[in-house]
Amino acid sequence: EAGVAQSPRYKIIEKRQSVAFWCNPISGHATLYWYQQILGQGPKLLIQFQNNGVVDDSQLPKDRFSAERLKGVDSTLKIQPAKLEDSAVYLCASSLRAGTSVTDTQYFGPGTRLTVL
Amino acid sequence: AQSVAQPEDQVNVAEGNPLTVKCTYSVSGNPYLFWYVQYPNRGLQFLLKYITGDNLVKGSYGFEAEFNKSQTSFHLKKPSALVSDSALYFCAVRDDSGYSTLTFGKGTMLLVSP
Repeated sequence: EAGVAQSPRYKIIEKRQSVAFWCNPISGHATLYWYQQILGQGPKLLIQFQNNGVVDDSQLPKDRFSAERLKGVDSTLKIQPAKLEDSAVYLCASSLRAGTSVTDTQYFGPGTRLTVL
Repeated sequence: AQSVAQPEDQVNVAEGNPLTVKCTYSVSGNPYLFWYVQYPNRGLQFLLKYITGDNLVKGSYGFEAEFNKSQTSFHLKKPSALVSDSALYFCAVRDDSGYSTLTFGKGTMLLVSP
């Protein structure tokens, strides 16, 4: 079974530029998550999708971050404009079931390491 | 609000010795607890989880964890460490209140020396 795919793996941009990350979850997984992992910290949830609807985006800085999962499969996370403090690893994860399945295991992709100069 | 504490930034152990990576948690409802491992330049890999039932949970690669409700702890253990176990370990918790999010600790670096 293929895992969670993410691209690109690495990205370097100047501040105020825009950037986009792509994620393809495990086939059949209803729920998709985007996390931000700053160096020395644990991952922090940015947004959670259930199929193509947003479940939780309370931690997403909506003035600069946006995400979509239009067909309920793959997803794109965008930052526009980027700030220095956005330098981090952006992790995508997926889990099998929809609904309030808090016991479901989340499976993570390899992440995208973003450096903002 | 839920939280996870991993009190040790780094744990050092010799190969062949037992290892323990500590985790304590705070939630308002019933806890669901997870351990993940992260190797350099890779995403998080699931090791094991506690949902309900037996307090001793067995997971991948010989790891196990013991849920202790009275001490609100979920320490990760392995009887005999391998050099290849060297990595960053994360404990995470969510509770049973509907759309509870997964909250991670800051991570503990495990270094196993030959």
